[in-house]
Amino acid sequence: QLQLQESGPGLVKPSETLSLTCTVSGGSISSSSYYWGWIRQPPGKGLEWIGSIYYSGSTYYNPSLKSRVTISVDTSKNQFSLKLSSVTAADTAVYYCARHRYSGYDLRDFDIWGQGTMVTVSS
Amino acid sequence: DIQMTQSPSTLSASVGDRVTITCRASQSISSWLAWYQQKPGKAPKLLIYKASSLESGVPSRFSGSGSGTEFTLTISSLQPDDFATYYCQQYNSYSPRLTFGGGTKVEIK
Repeated sequence: QLQLQESGPGLVKPSETLSLTCTVSGGSISSSSYYWGWIRQPPGKGLEWIGSIYYSGSTYYNPSLKSRVTISVDTSKNQFSLKLSSVTAADTAVYYCARHRYSGYDLRDFDIWGQGTMVTVSS
Repeated sequence: DIQMTQSPSTLSASVGDRVTITCRASQSISSWLAWYQQKPGKAPKLLIYKASSLESGVPSRFSGSGSGTEFTLTISSLQPDDFATYYCQQYNSYSPRLTFGGGTKVEIK
């Protein structure tokens, strides 16, 4: 059964770069049917898509975050990663990684999620 | 950008009730809509995709309908395990971003 697990620091200082990794187990990240995405949720608020990556390295980003976001993939480790630069308190959130279904033409829904990891931006 | 508006934001209901949640898109998204259930401290769970298709393993009391700009999620007979927050998500291919609705919390009456 496919599982996703986020890992990374739970505390990041303002103006620094948030870095998280998602490890995929029970299946291959190199599937033609899926992208792999990051979604975040500030405390008590709704969900925001950050971006998604294909095993080939092709990416889609949320335009509102695009200037600060880099998503990369390491197929040899079955992992993909998120970097968010110049963070502020507004970036404090639970960060989820998820499998993003792909039609071959466009992105669809998120069918499998990691448990999420809380990241707090504070000095 | 396509905005997704859910209503109501909170809903109080009893076990056995029929519950309907609405999601409206700011422009047509055809049937490119998904519904998720989220319980406190847990990741969202996919319930419905392509507006009305039931995800594998999801109880049949959940159903989705709609197209264009107006969509509904219906729970035919609310069960204790269904008290949670529900989100819609659009994935229209012509929109540069994927967006979620603001959520509907289903509470015990």
